[in-house]
Parts: sequence; C-alpha cells; structure tokens
Amino acid sequence: QKEVEQNSGPLSVPEGAIASLNCTYSDRVSQSFFWYRQYSGKSPELIMSIYSNGDKEDGRFTAQLNKASQYVSLLIRDSQPSDSATYLCAVRSETSYDKVIFGPGTSLSVIP
Amino acid sequence: DTAVSQTPKYLVTQMGNDKSIKCEQNLGHDTMYWYKQDSKKFLKIMFSYNNKELIINETVPNRFSPKSPDKAHLNLHINSLELGDSAVYFCASSHAIPGGELFFGSGTQLSVL
Repeated sequence: QKEVEQNSGPLSVPEGAIASLNCTYSDRVSQSFFWYRQYSGKSPELIMSIYSNGDKEDGRFTAQLNKASQYVSLLIRDSQPSDSATYLCAVRSETSYDKVIFGPGTSLSVIP
Repeated sequence: DTAVSQTPKYLVTQMGNDKSIKCEQNLGHDTMYWYKQDSKKFLKIMFSYNNKELIINETVPNRFSPKSPDKAHLNLHINSLELGDSAVYFCASSHAIPGGELFFGSGTQLSVL
C-alpha cells in the first residue's frame, strides 16, 4: 500500500460547483496533514493544514480529517476556473523521521 | 524578499557532467528539504536537514550530495549526471513540528541531454 493515496483524476466540475478531493494515508500515528495546490510549471503552494479530527474552514476551502479512517479531504466551494490545478495531499510521518510524504495529486479542472 | 529561493531556475547539461543547485530561506526555519518531481508529477523527498544535520536520506544514488553550510542554506550537488536525473528539483523549508508546514522554492528544471 502506498503511503499517501489520492484519486489521480482528472476531476472536472462546472464553475460554481463544489469540488471534493480525497486522500487516504497508511501511517496511523500521523498528526499533521496538508493540502497544497500546484499550478502547471509552478511550485506547490500551501492551502490548508489540519491537525485535529473534524472540519477546518478557510474561505471557500474546507479540510476534513478522520484519523480513525485515515482519511483527509478538501472541499472547494463555488469553484472558479482559477482553481484549476493539481491538488497534493501531504502527511507528516511520525514514524519516519518526521518526513512529509506527498500523494500523487489530483488534477482538477473547473469548466466555465 | 523571496522566502525560499533556489537557483538556477533552469539547468540544461550533458550526461556525465557535474552540477549544483543552491537554496536559501529567510523564514528562520530550522529544517530544509530537497524534493524531486518526476515527469508524472510525483513529488518525492530526497533529503532533509535540521540545523545543518542530515536527518533524512532516502534511497538516493551517491551521486547526489547535499550540503548545508548553515541552517538557512541547503545546496545539492549532482555528479555524473544521467538521463534519468531529468526532473524538477524543489527546495523547501519548515519549522520543526508541531506545525511543520513546508514552504517551497520555485524549483529547478534539470534537463540532462
């Protein structure tokens, strides 16, 4: 099993819709979870970090964490064409020298 | 006032050559990283330094040698470049946990011909 898994997509949603991105991880003791956005040809940019079970909201973005299910998700409300990018889920491993492991990313396309 | 800066942005070179990539951060972070992003866009950790000390060394060929002269700088030297080394290399930095969010440099596109 890969350490961090995501649906590769591409995920296409119409403008104004909710985009839902999912991520699962294998390290049960991980405590820190991150969502990054990467535009083509650019570096990853931090969108959200979440450390506790439940929801965390920041503007149009909501991160959800369920440690029992080893699942973290990102919801993007009122999706805009500018949200079209690859979204990377990242998990800080507590059992492997605190390294941050990235998932393969989900490509999101918001259709005007 | 760039937070994490790396140079050069593009590097085109022949097989067998030796090249270096430099990285500097002005965020006051104590941990710095090198990540490699291949053609499939998978971002994989290579090395991590904490206060100039190597703490993560993934299964990277010995041709790759990181050097951290101080906690604000982390350089990557690559010997005897191979075609398979072509990728985008990202430098990143973070505070130690808790938190530990990574902030990335703009990347170095390495093309080995």
